[in-house]
Amino acid sequence: SQTIHQWPATLVQPVGSPLSLECTVEGTSNPNLYWYRQAAGRGLQLLFYSVGIGQISSEVPQNLSASRPQDRQFILSSKKLLLSDSGFYLCAWSRGFYGYTFGSGTRLTVV
Amino acid sequence: GENVEQHPSTLSVQEGDSAVIKCTYSDSASNYFPWYKQELGKGPQLIIDIRSNVGEKKDQRIAVTLNKTAKHFSLHITETQPEDSAVYFCAASINNNNDMRFGAGTRLTVKP
Repeated sequence: SQTIHQWPATLVQPVGSPLSLECTVEGTSNPNLYWYRQAAGRGLQLLFYSVGIGQISSEVPQNLSASRPQDRQFILSSKKLLLSDSGFYLCAWSRGFYGYTFGSGTRLTVV
Repeated sequence: GENVEQHPSTLSVQEGDSAVIKCTYSDSASNYFPWYKQELGKGPQLIIDIRSNVGEKKDQRIAVTLNKTAKHFSLHITETQPEDSAVYFCAASINNNNDMRFGAGTRLTVKP
């Protein structure tokens, strides 16, 4: 069966520090991968998606970047965090005509 | 692109009552409509989905209906229980491509 791992679960980082969130998928190959952000009490905002290694599409301009160095690995990064980067970050995968499967999320607080 | 609107934003019901959450979509080409349940501090979990070739789908106490002509779909939860309390998201896409669009979410509270 397929599983998605996302870490860390919580993170507190100072303004101006770098960020690296990692997501890996097991049990499938060539998945579509997604990064979403959810502000407190708000909906899901798509940040990036990837259909293959090295292929990244950005939905909104921002202080963040994404990379896919391996088929089942998706990384969300920032060189310098802003207060507005605080939120709940979710990784998800899909393949074929099925719904997205989300990870357990990372709660990022920038102080 | 697709735009999904979801109502209400909050819903409070008494245990045992039914709850209905409604969504509308704008792109008539959308043909896949999943519903997700998000519990506090967790990622959303797919609970039921419907494709455009059917009008209704049931799974125990939850059901989803789709009206393609009116471009709206609804989630129905019967005999609600406190553990149904969560945020529910609807979504729409064309063949589950990278165009999935989510509603803003409904916070459901089931009071014991």
